[in-house]
Amino acid sequence: QQPVQSPQAVILREGEDAVINCSSSKALYSVHWYRQKHGEAPVFLMILLKGGEQKGHEKISASFNEKKQQSSLYLTASQLSYSGTYFCGTEDDYKLSFGAGTTVTVRA
Amino acid sequence: GAVVSQHPSWVICKSGTSVKIECRSLDFQATTMFWYRQFPKQSLMLMATSNEGSKATYEQGVEKDKFLINHASLTLSTLTVTSAHPEDSSFYICSARDSNAYEQYFGPGTRLTVT
Repeated sequence: QQPVQSPQAVILREGEDAVINCSSSKALYSVHWYRQKHGEAPVFLMILLKGGEQKGHEKISASFNEKKQQSSLYLTASQLSYSGTYFCGTEDDYKLSFGAGTTVTVRA
Repeated sequence: GAVVSQHPSWVICKSGTSVKIECRSLDFQATTMFWYRQFPKQSLMLMATSNEGSKATYEQGVEKDKFLINHASLTLSTLTVTSAHPEDSSFYICSARDSNAYEQYFGPGTRLTVT
């Protein structure tokens, strides 16, 4: 079952912050975050495991709330290179189900 | 590290012909590889899970006789689209899971256009 992502899209100016949410109706073991640029394959950002700590990648960090079955991705002091579509993937028996994606546009 | 290659990056074929797409993990062993399809402005849809040395597991609605998957070694999986039709035109992406880790890494994708 696909996780639900929100918002669908966000437009930022350089330096602004944003939060992308990912929630599931099923208990989560892990949440995977990817960024995809137009015409390219998704690039792995980070994975959050059940019972694990908050992760970070440059100025992008994420949290995982097991009880609420949701994860949030935080874009801090956004840069132009952060533009793209962000997908969360939830794992079930090694297989990932991806949300519909959140398109982030960062403008100068 | 964790590089996955895919070949070809794009292919145009005539309706009724077959196309083979290769997916390789270059610097790690991947017991499991996955094949996805992505239509424009949509999410990634898992087609099948490929396990080295055994038959692939297909998701509901995916025709196993049309999308043939072979996982010949710990670093190579192939997807063959048989008797391709225009509706099979899509972006096909593979991913590989490191046998010793949780992460999945994606290949660069193959854009298939069937005319």
